[in-house]
Amino acid sequence: NAGVTQTPKFRILKIGQSMTLQCTQDMNHNYMYWYRQDPGMGLKLIYYSVGAGITDKGEVPNGYNVSRSTTEDFPLRLELAAPSQTSVYFCASSSTSGGGQPQHFGDGTRLSIL
Amino acid sequence: DQQVKQNSPSLSVQEGRISILNCDYTNSMFDYFLWYKKYPAEGPTFLISISSIKDKNEDGRFTVFLNKSAKHLSLHIVPSQPGDSAVYFCAASANTNAGKSTFGDGTTLTVKP
Repeated sequence: NAGVTQTPKFRILKIGQSMTLQCTQDMNHNYMYWYRQDPGMGLKLIYYSVGAGITDKGEVPNGYNVSRSTTEDFPLRLELAAPSQTSVYFCASSSTSGGGQPQHFGDGTRLSIL
Repeated sequence: DQQVKQNSPSLSVQEGRISILNCDYTNSMFDYFLWYKKYPAEGPTFLISISSIKDKNEDGRFTVFLNKSAKHLSLHIVPSQPGDSAVYFCAASANTNAGKSTFGDGTTLTVKP
């Protein structure tokens, strides 16, 4: 009964380093999303995917890349970490694209860039 | 331009009383509205939703009201319980938009015993 699993939970990076935030879901959901949440703010969509092999940009994609080779996994890549990317990152999935379908979220990755 | 706004960053109520959380939106293309609840160090969890063809949806202690003409919705929690203390996010989506949701900045609800 894992749902959406994100790893790692915490990470500190130096400016210019790269890393991959992992996200996997076991609900066979086609739709997956990456958000970032800055302090006191709502969730901003970074990238999303409507199925394996298909990804598209969200509201704030600059500095990030994604891939979707399987239904289960949707990793988020930071290539050159910048202080502005310090945030909490949430991965989510949903079963269909219907507007009323709730999204299921992981518990987040807290990332600090120093 | 923020399309979903929650103008009250925080709300404090007494246990047993009603909590009313408000949300305004600007995009008339939105046709579903969802509320999520978030505890510290956890991801948001879905609470309740409403379609734009309805003006009310109720689930136990939680009721969401939608006023389309005013582009306003509200979440009522009655009676409020200390365990309801959390951040509540309002989200809106359009049926033709790949399930993408636009989130408000959240309201922190504190229910005092």
